[in-house]
Amino acid sequence: GAVVSQHPSRVICKSGTSVKIECRSLDFQATTMFWYRQFPKQSLMLMATSNEGSKATYEQGVEKDKFLINHASLTLSTLTVTSAHPEDSSFYICSARVSGSYVGELFFGEGSRLTVL
Amino acid sequence: DQQVKQNSPSLSVQEGRISILNCDYTNSMFDYFLWYKKYPAEGPTFLISISSIKDKNEDGRFTVFLNKSAKHLSLHIVPSQPGDSAVYFCAARDWGGSEKLVFGKGTKLTVNP
Repeated sequence: GAVVSQHPSRVICKSGTSVKIECRSLDFQATTMFWYRQFPKQSLMLMATSNEGSKATYEQGVEKDKFLINHASLTLSTLTVTSAHPEDSSFYICSARVSGSYVGELFFGEGSRLTVL
Repeated sequence: DQQVKQNSPSLSVQEGRISILNCDYTNSMFDYFLWYKKYPAEGPTFLISISSIKDKNEDGRFTVFLNKSAKHLSLHIVPSQPGDSAVYFCAARDWGGSEKLVFGKGTKLTVNP
């Protein structure tokens, strides 16, 4: 199947700093990518939908100025957590859909574990 | 408000027996349901899906059943194998046309040799 790669897999940062997480579709083009967040023992929660060449669509309650999403190419979307705080510590995971495929064909990255000290 | 619920955080079965993972939902606008499997340190991978117009979909050892009146679906794995040990997520799509999926919290399946 298609491959989605995330980097970094783990990151530890100090409170107040910004962290960038990359999501790449390695062998297919993805016009749409999704960013999820998962807190311990909770569901994967959709944060935003990232569309290539346009602004991301954020879910209710997600601060767009804090979680900056850039989808500059058909193979790369980035999530930047700005001015990170300990409560932003979570597991962030992206997914992408092969253009033209049905809804089930979402391919997920490995996830990025963010720890804010 | 949890729209997709997986009430069993874990399940343990013996190799060769049937594994049944359950999922309940509250939103009657969901039109498509999916199961994903996740191994540690990996992202979830798509396993099987079912449209709301069907009540059963089968793929090899995996069968998903949908009971719309009860807003309940289940994933059956027969026979279970140790390699099936993973966290299984149930997900649902709102028919509104969005590709947005709503996930349950997952059930950790352990298949013992």
